Amino acid sequence: KNEVEQSPQNLTAQEGEFITINCSYSVGISALHWLQQHPGGGIVSLFMLSSGKKKHGRLIATINIQEKHSSLHITASHPRDSAVYICAVYMDSNYQLIWGAGTKLIIKP
Amino acid sequence: GAGVSQTPSNKVTEKGKYVELRCDPISGHTALYWYRQSLGQGPEFLIYFQGTGAADDSGLPNDRFFAVRPEGSVSTLKIQRTERGDSAVYLCASTPLPGVGTQYFGPGTRLTVL
Repeated sequence: KNEVEQSPQNLTAQEGEFITINCSYSVGISALHWLQQHPGGGIVSLFMLSSGKKKHGRLIATINIQEKHSSLHITASHPRDSAVYICAVYMDSNYQLIWGAGTKLIIKP
Repeated sequence: GAGVSQTPSNKVTEKGKYVELRCDPISGHTALYWYRQSLGQGPEFLIYFQGTGAADDSGLPNDRFFAVRPEGSVSTLKIQRTERGDSAVYLCASTPLPGVGTQYFGPGTRLTVL
């Protein structure tokens, strides 16, 4: 069993829909990253959070430490949001990121 | 300022050859990471530098892989006797300070071993 699991693996939605991507982890963590990777492009960090909720534009990330679960939400989705979204965690007192396999999101116009 | 850069962007080599992949982190960033990403997978940790020293090289798959960061800035990942299974995108990231922090990624080097 992977230490970081994401769901769904693939998600196709229509422009304007509200998107939720989930991340569950089985280890103690100090922080969690949500990252975005466009096809053929590099990886960009969207959020790093260790509690509560963060918002940036149309993106919202939440984390529940007790339940070992985080969600990434996209409001008013747009085709340019199409990318792979990756959840990665810093284990307690560690500098290593443990990565999920990613969720491939396609937003159709 | 400039982000993390990696060269070359693409490298095609033959099985058994030696390759070097270069990473230029953001100026002043102390910590540097190398990752490998195979098709359809998330990145896999290879090695982590604090300054000039490799603080953790536990992710290097075998002794064909080696990385250096002699002056605490640019890093080179070296792969000897390449195998087809080494084909992947090699990613570099840096952070301002050691430990937990936002990682800034380079565009990656796509290595293809024929």
